[in-house]
Amino acid sequence: ILNVEQSPQSLHVQEGDSTNFTCSFPSSNFYALHWYRWETAKSPEALFVMTLNGDEKKKGRISATLNTKEGYSYLYIKGSQPEDSATYLCAFIYNFNKFYFGSGTKLNVKP
Amino acid sequence: EAGVAQSPRYKIIEKRQSVAFWCNPISGHATLYWYQQILGQGPKLLIQFQNNGVVDDSQLPKDRFSAERLKGVDSTLKIQPAKLEDSAVYLCASSLRLDQSTDTQYFGPGTRLTVL
Repeated sequence: ILNVEQSPQSLHVQEGDSTNFTCSFPSSNFYALHWYRWETAKSPEALFVMTLNGDEKKKGRISATLNTKEGYSYLYIKGSQPEDSATYLCAFIYNFNKFYFGSGTKLNVKP
Repeated sequence: EAGVAQSPRYKIIEKRQSVAFWCNPISGHATLYWYQQILGQGPKLLIQFQNNGVVDDSQLPKDRFSAERLKGVDSTLKIQPAKLEDSAVYLCASSLRLDQSTDTQYFGPGTRLTVL
C-alpha cells in the first residue's frame, strides 16, 4: 500500500480568497493522477486527469499542476466561492491499474 | 445520460448480519470499481472489474466480502458476516474504456453502511 498525502486536511477561507492545496505521492512507477471534488450528499465528481510531468489543467477558476519527478500536484482555486466548499481528493495511479486515494482536503468557503 | 446508480442509499445492520449493495454503471462502461470509504480516510479500492472479469481484488477482505458483475453490466457487493469496522460509505464507479489509469471515473452516490 502506497502513501498518498494531502495537505492541509482542512481549510477555511473567505469568499474571494484564492487558495491551493497539495497532493504528494511516490515518484516512481507513476501512471496518472486524478483530482476529484466531493460535495456533501453528492457523488464525487472528476476534475482533472493528469499524466505528463509539467501538465497544467484548468477548468474555470480551478487549475492544477503536476510534478512527477518530485511527486506532487497542486490544486488552485482562484476567487473561492461558497459553492466551492467540498472535499478535494487526489488519486495516484500506480502500475497502470492500482488506485490510491489521499484522505482529501476539506475546503469551507465562508460568504 | 443516466449516472451510476446505487442502492440502497443507507443501511443499518447489526454485527454478524449480512448485507448486499447493488450498482448499475453508466451504459456501455467497461470498467466498474467498488470503493470503501471510512470516515476521515480516502476511498480504498476493493475490487475492479473489466466487463465481467476481475482485474484487481487485492484489497478485498475475501473471508467476508464478495462481489460479482454478471453479464458485465450491474454488480453486487456482499458482506457476510459484517463487523463493526465495516461501517463506511461504499462507492461504486465506472469508466468507459479499458485504460483505467487515464480514464475518468464516474461515481454513484454511495451506500452508507452502519454496523451496530
